[in-house]
Amino acid sequence: SHELTQPPSVSVSPGQTARITCSGEALSNQYVFWYQQKAGQAPLLVIYRDSERPSGIPERFSGSTSGTTVTLTISGVLAEDEADYYCQSTDSSGSSVFGTGSKVTVL
Amino acid sequence: QVQLQESGPGLVKASETLSLTCTVSGGSISSHSWSWIRQAAGKGLEWIGRIYPSGSTNYNPSLKSRVTMSIDTSKNEFSLRLRSVTAADTAVYHCARGLAIFGVVNVSHYFDNWGQGTLVTVSS
Repeated sequence: SHELTQPPSVSVSPGQTARITCSGEALSNQYVFWYQQKAGQAPLLVIYRDSERPSGIPERFSGSTSGTTVTLTISGVLAEDEADYYCQSTDSSGSSVFGTGSKVTVL
Repeated sequence: QVQLQESGPGLVKASETLSLTCTVSGGSISSHSWSWIRQAAGKGLEWIGRIYPSGSTNYNPSLKSRVTMSIDTSKNEFSLRLRSVTAADTAVYHCARGLAIFGVVNVSHYFDNWGQGTLVTVSS
């Protein structure tokens, strides 16, 4: 099955850099997308096609890929970046698959 | 900006059918794909399925035997029916607009607009 594994939690001090990984065997052949979900809100697309930012997403959000691991990087973390983050891909049958999710805590 | 709004009963009895509708405003439902995604309390996101304007569907294999999605382009809305629900189906249900990127080998789907979600509780 197409499983995407993320660290459950990432803690970072304001102004520092947070890195959230997403790993899965099929990621080398698929684009990955990242969503931010704040408490009580709908998810928000922050990265598409591995590393592109939608309009309105701050430049401190970036994405990168290396083999079967992709990384969401938040540079110069702000308190408002505290949220859950999910990676998402598509498996060979066309099903959308979400990662296990990572809670980013700003200390 | 496209807006999506879920509607439907917030309480469903176990073994019965969950029915939700997503109304799309600010854009036409006659393009893109449209998905349902759910999230149990304290848990991650689970994709349920997608429907195209043509009525063609793709479902999560783990739910496929119980799911039916439909679309009404004249009303700019699409719907979800989930049969034989249990407590495990208690979740916030989101509808979302899907986009596709065609790679060299595969197609990648993602979601650029989401509804706020509606909580559906399955009671025994």
